[in-house]
Amino acid sequence: DAGITQSPRHKVTETGTPVTLRCHQTENHRYMYWYRQDPGHGLRLIHYSYGVKDTDKGEVSDGYSVSRSKTEDFLLTLESATSSQTSVYFCAITPDRVSYEQYFGPGTRLTVT
Amino acid sequence: QKEVEQNSGPLSVPEGAIASLNCTYSDRGSQSFFWYRQYSGKSPELIMSIYSNGDKEDGRFTAQLNKASQYVSLLIRDSQPSDSATYLCAVNTGGDDKIIFGKGTRLHILP
Repeated sequence: DAGITQSPRHKVTETGTPVTLRCHQTENHRYMYWYRQDPGHGLRLIHYSYGVKDTDKGEVSDGYSVSRSKTEDFLLTLESATSSQTSVYFCAITPDRVSYEQYFGPGTRLTVT
Repeated sequence: QKEVEQNSGPLSVPEGAIASLNCTYSDRGSQSFFWYRQYSGKSPELIMSIYSNGDKEDGRFTAQLNKASQYVSLLIRDSQPSDSATYLCAVNTGGDDKIIFGKGTRLHILP
């Protein structure tokens, strides 16, 4: 699992509440990514980071924000959760920019009621 | 819009046969190509990377790349029930820190 952990692994929350998901890596990789995976849509990039305090938007960034204050942690925040954000969220890292191979964490299943 | 296309399946293959999974991509500038395997309820696992035209073999898996046709495939020889999973094709388009995923093909190996 490339030394990646995600927390929480499961969460149920109510519409309108803020939610923060955490991705933690132990290998000091510079690049980290947040994806969501939904039936019929596959994996879609939400945000990614290329260093401490350096982040950029992905394909489906509306309603999400991220922060990276330390190399090892990449946080994804749903500012006001909606039912459309019910999904499985995966964090990934890229060890190098030559291969661009990505390795995934175990995922967080989020349900917004 | 850069796209990666896969047949969603399910693709049913008898145990012991060759499973053939296909993927096409839209960006001619693509440079890196990946196959991931994802079991139900689990995270994607990288099983093959390929960067140049031709075949790359790793055990029972062979990845094939044809940049002229913008086509990448994965062959699984001597298919086993444990190969039953969703296979995701992914492409890095070069000059970009991101990869784009196809929606995946469900493979079912029939015992």
